Amino acid sequence: NAGVTQTPKFQVLKTGQSMTLQCAQDMNHEYMSWYRQDPGMGLRLIHYSVGAGITDQGEVPNGYNVSRSTTEDFPLRLLSAAPSQTSVYFCASGGLGIRLSSYGYTFGSGTRLTVV
Amino acid sequence: SQQGEEDPQALSIQEGENATMNCSYKTSINNLQWYRQNSGRGLVHLILIRSNEREKHSGRLRVTLDTSKKSSSLLITASRAADTASYFCATDAGSGGSNYKLTFGKGTLLTVNP
Repeated sequence: NAGVTQTPKFQVLKTGQSMTLQCAQDMNHEYMSWYRQDPGMGLRLIHYSVGAGITDQGEVPNGYNVSRSTTEDFPLRLLSAAPSQTSVYFCASGGLGIRLSSYGYTFGSGTRLTVV
Repeated sequence: SQQGEEDPQALSIQEGENATMNCSYKTSINNLQWYRQNSGRGLVHLILIRSNEREKHSGRLRVTLDTSKKSSSLLITASRAADTASYFCATDAGSGGSNYKLTFGKGTLLTVNP
């Protein structure tokens, strides 16, 4: 049982490049989300999904796209990387309803992204 | 926008002592969650308390919630060096059910000295 797997662990991009951060979970969780963590800012929600084909914006969605074609995968796409997107990105998943109340969210180990 | 704010920002104690961290928030909530993050790692869920609950225990953890004061506290008893980590509160401001938009505070850095 791998939990939430994020790839890559580290990435350096040049300004203007695009890339996709991968997130996969094997717990059959309906809910998946992306957060970014910046020093002194805590975690901020970028996008989230409550099931395949359903996505919605969080607090800081600009510059990022998501899609949810399967229950297991929730990739985050950076369209045109900017230095302001330098951050640590975390993917999280969880069940809905009573499963959420009982177990909270499961986080991946993060992707450290630097945009130069 | 930051919903939860932890206090203190940093806490240093000796092994065996108790550690108390506080969280204040601004709006009504459906539930409040506490997470731990070891340096360079992802977050680990510790405990969730619903808005209609006042206290919850899990092992050495005790969480209280006061919705009238919009505050919560996390108590770690008999602390160990392995408890050294950052602790975050996160609020779910959904009404009637989760809105799936957890809002995190900036965290408390706990250092437990051997």
